[in-house]
Amino acid sequence: DADVTQTPRNRITKTGKRIMLECSQTKGHDRMYWYRQDPGLGLRLIYYSFDVKDINKGEISDGYSVSRQAQAKFSLSLESAIPNQTALYFCATSDWGSGTSGGADRDEQFFGPGTRLTVL
Amino acid sequence: GEDVEQSLFLSVREGDSSVINCTYTDSSSTYLYWYKQEPGAGLQLLTYIFSNMDMKQDQRLTVLLNKKDKHLSLRIADTQTGDSAIYFCAEKRRNHGQNFVFGPGTRLSVLP
Repeated sequence: DADVTQTPRNRITKTGKRIMLECSQTKGHDRMYWYRQDPGLGLRLIYYSFDVKDINKGEISDGYSVSRQAQAKFSLSLESAIPNQTALYFCATSDWGSGTSGGADRDEQFFGPGTRLTVL
Repeated sequence: GEDVEQSLFLSVREGDSSVINCTYTDSSSTYLYWYKQEPGAGLQLLTYIFSNMDMKQDQRLTVLLNKKDKHLSLRIADTQTGDSAIYFCAEKRRNHGQNFVFGPGTRLSVLP
């Protein structure tokens, strides 16, 4: 079974609809992230959470909100979807200090398979 | 600038070496990473290098780091068709709350 899962994998919706994307992990990691991927722009950070009580905005948080329901679950919501939110969305987890060499925090991120969202 | 930069496309012939280049921005980044994204999948860590190293070799992969120029490269020896993917350079920036900043990705196409 995959360590980081995302649902749904694909979603088509209309402008103005509320959408929730869900992410679950079985890795036991404290840190979780939401990114969006757009062609030629790489991944951009939307929100991140270092533990259940900690939520932080990333570089492109406008139009999005998140909920960290438990250590293993981190949901991303689009309150009123718009076409320029059409993108591939990735959830990721990391465990600070997971590196075993080189000193401090190698901090590998583990990604889910992605959710392709289309807003018409 | 603020962006991590990469060329968007690279094509090589099977069996040749591929070199993917990246320039990053934060000289205090402690780790630099290469992630691989295969079609329809999420990103997977391919390799990484600690900032006090100049080179790291792992089987067919060689990572070179030039801290003075903030330049990172990934060399894949004997490139195979299975290496066709998008390769992302990433740095972990201290002034971004220790978060990752990714480049736009380089799409590597391996021709038979």
